[in-house]
Amino acid sequence: DIQMTQSPASLSASLEEIVTITCQASQDIGNWLAWYQQKPGKSPQLLIYDATSLADGVPSRFSGSRSGTQYSLKISRLQVEDIGSYYCQQAHSNPRTFGGGTKLELK
Amino acid sequence: EVQLVESGGGLVQPGRSLKLSCLASGFTFSNYGMNWIRQAPGKGLEWVASISSSSSYIYYADTVKGRFTISRDNAKNTLYLQMTSLRSEDTALYYCARRATPPGYYFDYWGQGVMVTVSS
Repeated sequence: DIQMTQSPASLSASLEEIVTITCQASQDIGNWLAWYQQKPGKSPQLLIYDATSLADGVPSRFSGSRSGTQYSLKISRLQVEDIGSYYCQQAHSNPRTFGGGTKLELK
Repeated sequence: EVQLVESGGGLVQPGRSLKLSCLASGFTFSNYGMNWIRQAPGKGLEWVASISSSSSYIYYADTVKGRFTISRDNAKNTLYLQMTSLRSEDTALYYCARRATPPGYYFDYWGQGVMVTVSS
């Protein structure tokens, strides 16, 4: 199985701050990676797919990048509505595995 | 508007069975692969099972293989998860999720989830 190691597990940031979350894949998955946002008490929502493509309706302050087997989600200017948990997911092969999650809080 | 509404959850004793349902609307259900994904209380996401649009391809996580069965009825726009030999570690919020249009295997719509609690 492909392991997705996500960091940090938790993060405290201020409004307007730049936030970066990373995910390390245990093997080459190409661009087959997605990021999801889960607001408190809500279902996850697709943010980014194919490592860098923004899902419909997602604000442009979110972006994804890749360097080898390391993937990053960047929020360029943190807003209060961005608070929640974030998960990466590999779409390369079964079983579809998620990272452990990053809980983002306001400082 | 795409909607996925799960039902059938509840409190069940270890070793017993439970069947979850997910009623889909707002899209052509028979054209999409579907999935069950769960989240234990306070924990992360775990993919459980997937089924292709015509039920030709079915996959399970090792943690549920041999105990859970995913199925669908395209005439009823409904996805199912039959869970048997339930264990305490199966306690979780179970989400029904649609596979996004290929080629990538992503989850573009999720239901609100249904809680399953396995306890004596």
